[in-house]
Amino acid sequence: NAGVTQTPKFQVLKTGQSMTLQCAQDMNHEYMSWYRQDPGMGLRLIHYSVGAGITDQGEVPNGYNVSRSTTEDFPLRLLSAAPSQTSVYFCASSPRRSSGNTIYFGEGSWLTVV
Amino acid sequence: AQKVTQAQTEISVVEKEDVTLDCVYETRDTTYYLFWYKQPPSGELVFLIRRNSFDEQNEISGRYSWNFQKSTSSFNFTITASQVVDSAVYFCALSEGGGTASKLTFGTGTRLQVTL
Repeated sequence: NAGVTQTPKFQVLKTGQSMTLQCAQDMNHEYMSWYRQDPGMGLRLIHYSVGAGITDQGEVPNGYNVSRSTTEDFPLRLLSAAPSQTSVYFCASSPRRSSGNTIYFGEGSWLTVV
Repeated sequence: AQKVTQAQTEISVVEKEDVTLDCVYETRDTTYYLFWYKQPPSGELVFLIRRNSFDEQNEISGRYSWNFQKSTSSFNFTITASQVVDSAVYFCALSEGGGTASKLTFGTGTRLQVTL
């Protein structure tokens, strides 16, 4: 029972480099999201998806791209990394309708852009 | 737009003291969900509770209790007889609609330090 898996856990990038943070879930959840966590600011929504082929912007989408070609995967792409994107990134998933603990988070990806 | 305010940035208590973490929210929706998460030093997010807007019953789970008051738009979290293992950052979050991962709004968190 893997839940939500994020890779890599740690990454150091140089300014201008590109990379993809991977997120996969094995619970057949319709909804998936990416959040970033910065000191003193809590978690903020970057992009989200309500199903395969459907994505939308959250509060802080600039500098990030997403796609949802399958139900299981929701990668987050940084096309040209900037120091302002140094953060901890969390992927989350949930079913469309549920009760109890409905939202599952990955363990986080620590990204440093130098 | 929805908003969650956790006015307490950091709280320090001595073990066995009771401590209350405040959470005030703003939303225009009549249907919404409130959450509390714990983030220990290891960094992962640990789910504590989910409450929907139609259920104002207070909840107790061991040493943890939650007080939901729609009249004051508050969802406060109390730890009774705190322990060192309770040291963490605690986040309150709001989700409109179905309580899904799609649109969670988090507060800025309260760092709780419990010392011996």
